[in-house]
Amino acid sequence: DVKVTQSSRYLVKRTGEKVFLECVQDMDHENMFWYRQDPGLGLRLIYFSYDVKMKEKGDIPEGYSVSREKKERFSLILESASTNQTSMYLCATRVGANYGYTFGSGTRLTIV
Amino acid sequence: GENVEQHPSTLSVQEGDSAVIKCTYSDSASNYFPWYKQELGKGPQLIIDIRSNVGEKKDQRIAVTLNKTAKHFSLHITETQPEDSAVYFCAASGPGTYKYIFGTGTRLKVLA
Repeated sequence: DVKVTQSSRYLVKRTGEKVFLECVQDMDHENMFWYRQDPGLGLRLIYFSYDVKMKEKGDIPEGYSVSREKKERFSLILESASTNQTSMYLCATRVGANYGYTFGSGTRLTIV
Repeated sequence: GENVEQHPSTLSVQEGDSAVIKCTYSDSASNYFPWYKQELGKGPQLIIDIRSNVGEKKDQRIAVTLNKTAKHFSLHITETQPEDSAVYFCAASGPGTYKYIFGTGTRLKVLA
């Protein structure tokens, strides 16, 4: 089974900090995704990557950037954290189009 | 834009009864429909999926039906058990797209 590991389960950061969320997969999947999950809003796509060094904006990319230097690692960066970025962040991977995602356990990020 | 509506938002059933969750999608080109279960403190997990070339798929107590004409699909759980209590998400995706459109989730409570 594919395993998707997110570096932190809980994280508290201060407003204005640069925040890094890391995600590592143990399979050779090309597609990786970052979502945020908020009550009543479901899952919203922030960024995705279909190959090393390739990235595409999702539905809510403002205030975020990503990095994918190696196939197994996809990082989400909050350039200058704000309180409205307090949320659950989920990383996912999949083998290709029309296949299900494998999600990590999530990082609950609080910005104070 | 593309949209997936999911109903109900909460559902309580007695142990042993059936539960049905319905989703409606807007993009007629959608051809892949996964369902995810999210338990407390965990990331969503794929439980069943269906592609547009079939109308129904079953896996033990779980089944999914698809009506392409009406653009809706449903998750059916029979003989519910307390461990089925979780949040369930539907999603839809189409050809040539990397991303899924998720529903807003249904919180299922199975009462013992």
